[in-house]
Amino acid sequence: DTGVSQDPRHKITKRGQNVTFRCDPISEHNRLYWYRQTLGQGPEFLTYFQNEAQLEKSRLLSDRFSAERPKGSFSTLEIQRTEQGDSAMYLCASSLGAKPGYTFGSGTRLTVV
Amino acid sequence: ELKVEQNPLFLSMQEGKNYTIYCNYSTTSDRLYWYRQDPGKSLESLFVLLSNGAVKQEGRLMASLDTKARLSTLHITAAVHDLSATYFCASPPDSNYQLIWGAGTKLIIKP
Repeated sequence: DTGVSQDPRHKITKRGQNVTFRCDPISEHNRLYWYRQTLGQGPEFLTYFQNEAQLEKSRLLSDRFSAERPKGSFSTLEIQRTEQGDSAMYLCASSLGAKPGYTFGSGTRLTVV
Repeated sequence: ELKVEQNPLFLSMQEGKNYTIYCNYSTTSDRLYWYRQDPGKSLESLFVLLSNGAVKQEGRLMASLDTKARLSTLHITAAVHDLSATYFCASPPDSNYQLIWGAGTKLIIKP
């Protein structure tokens, strides 16, 4: 296992289209996080899974956003009816239990035109 | 509102100089994380500080944590160009499963 994988690396979409991103965490990590990062800012927490259960969602995660982790392994983040303000880097991270430390993936850079 | 504030946000320095980045946080956590990010890249973990008085060093970087003052520092010794990057600190709120991040310190080290 070489770390946290995210796909795609880059996505350009037209406003109003739906997009879906995938994250494959480190295999033994039971916790998975999604963050969003805009240029010049620190990451902002979006949502958190422990195994397949989504335990926390940020207020930033509007109704157009949905995340799943169906079997407690990979996760998907879908954005419906994309808006220009959704343009950002979407980062996935994973961790093992309460052990401190998060491993981040390379991110998916979304551009909405 | 829980906050993490970094100072300075931008730092340009010459190789060979020393400098310190400051991270103030308002959470009550005894954990503090430092990450490095290169342009267009993801976040690389540098240090995880787990208790008051914790000090960790890796090469020319040294991080410390004072939970009473809610302050962490990242000290750079004899800077080299390869350390040019953006450095973030982050603290978990009480929930302990998410991180609140500073805005980052963009460090440029000139040869």
